[in-house]
Amino acid sequence: DAGVTQSPTHLIKTRGQQVTLRCSPKSGHDTVSWYQQALGQGPQFIFQYYEEEERQRGNFPDRFSGHQFPNYSSELNVNALLLGDSALYLCASSLREKLFFGSGTQLSVL
Amino acid sequence: DQQVKQNSPSLSVQEGRISILNCDYTNSMFDYFLWYKKYPAEGPTFLISISSIKDKNEDGRFTVFLNKSAKHLSLHIVPSQPGDSAVYFCAASGGNQFYFGTGTSLTVIP
Repeated sequence: DAGVTQSPTHLIKTRGQQVTLRCSPKSGHDTVSWYQQALGQGPQFIFQYYEEEERQRGNFPDRFSGHQFPNYSSELNVNALLLGDSALYLCASSLREKLFFGSGTQLSVL
Repeated sequence: DQQVKQNSPSLSVQEGRISILNCDYTNSMFDYFLWYKKYPAEGPTFLISISSIKDKNEDGRFTVFLNKSAKHLSLHIVPSQPGDSAVYFCAASGGNQFYFGTGTSLTVIP
C-alpha cells in the first residue's frame, strides 16, 4: 500500500516564475491538504481539498491555488514566485482525523 | 498568531531515561491533538493522538497527556532510545484545519 507520494522532490525556480507541485494521496483517502514548512518552523496550512473542491483555506495569498482530480490526486500551483516562497511543501491525505504526510517538495526560489 | 506553541526548541536526554516534550495551545475549541515525528528529508510521521474527552493515551513507549484546563499537552517517551532522535511536532485541530507547533528537536545520547 503506497503512502502519500509527492513530485518532484526538489525544485529550483527564479522569482516571478510559476510552479506546480503534485501529490497522490494514500490509498482510500479522499481528502488532501497542503502545508508550507519554512526553515525552523512548523507546517503552515495552505488549503484542503475534498470532492474536488477547496474546503478550507489558510492565510495564504491568491497566488497559491490548487486542484483535486477525480482520483483524489492534487496539485498545488504558485504564481509569481517570491524569494519567501522557498520552503518545504508538504502534502497530507486524511481519512477522518489523522493526517498522513508525503516526503515533501523542497522549493528554492532564487 | 501562533495557536500552538512548543517553547523548547531542543532537548537532550540520556538513553534509557524519560523524554518529556511539551506543547501549549490557546484555542479552547481544539478537540483533537496529535504528535508527529520528523526525520531530515522525510515528511512528518504520525506518532500518537488524543481526543479532548480523554486526559491520557498510551501506545507502547509513548504516552500523551492532556490538561485541558491548562491548555497543555505533553509527550512522554520511556525509555528513550537513540532512534527516537528527531524533531517532534505537536498539532491541534478543531475541524478540518490542523495547527502545528514549531517543533522540538530531541537528541537521545547513547
